[in-house]
Amino acid sequence: GQQVMQIPQYQHVQEGEDFTTYCNSSTTLSNIQWYKQRPGGHPVFLIQLVKSGEVKKQKRLTFQFGEAKKNSSLHITATQTTDVGTYFCAGRTGGFKTIFGAGTRLFVKA
Amino acid sequence: NAGVTQTPKFRVLKTGQSMTLLCAQDMNHEYMYWYRQDPGMGLRLIHYSVGEGTTAKGEVPDGYNVSRLKKQNFLLGLESAAPSQTSVYFCASNPTGGNQPQHFGDGTRLSIL
Repeated sequence: GQQVMQIPQYQHVQEGEDFTTYCNSSTTLSNIQWYKQRPGGHPVFLIQLVKSGEVKKQKRLTFQFGEAKKNSSLHITATQTTDVGTYFCAGRTGGFKTIFGAGTRLFVKA
Repeated sequence: NAGVTQTPKFRVLKTGQSMTLLCAQDMNHEYMYWYRQDPGMGLRLIHYSVGEGTTAKGEVPDGYNVSRLKKQNFLLGLESAAPSQTSVYFCASNPTGGNQPQHFGDGTRLSIL
């Protein structure tokens, strides 16, 4: 079945360093969503990308959707301790079901 | 607005026992979902509903049943709990499907001994 692969599984960074997580699909995606889950919390929607090559920014976060609409990335510039959590991508091929990646857990050392 | 409310928040069961997890949303959303979250495996869809009175199987439906008798409620049942069903269960909803963000409840942490 369709899979959405996300790497890395874990990332440890020093506060102030940058962080990137990557999401790859075996099939073309209609859209991709990104969620953040704080430790002990629930996933919270961050952003949705729909267009090929789309780039969106939210303060220190930059989201990209690949030209072929099969991959996406989330980049955080100058991480802060508040960025700690697990970041999930979620892709949709068609219809309405969304497939979640396994997530990248970010640890930030002050 | 409460959003998506899940009850209970925690539960410990013995193998073979049954229980029902309740999800309630006050946003008038048509679509509702049940996921389980296990370490390293992300969120896996158990069952979903596209409207009142409808349900459908997701990626990992075995051992679970669901009902959506009222639009605002989505129930997840475990008829005979097994240790493999130890997990964190999340309910989510969105207005009309895949182009829209999902709103998640706080989760139910379920342990099966």
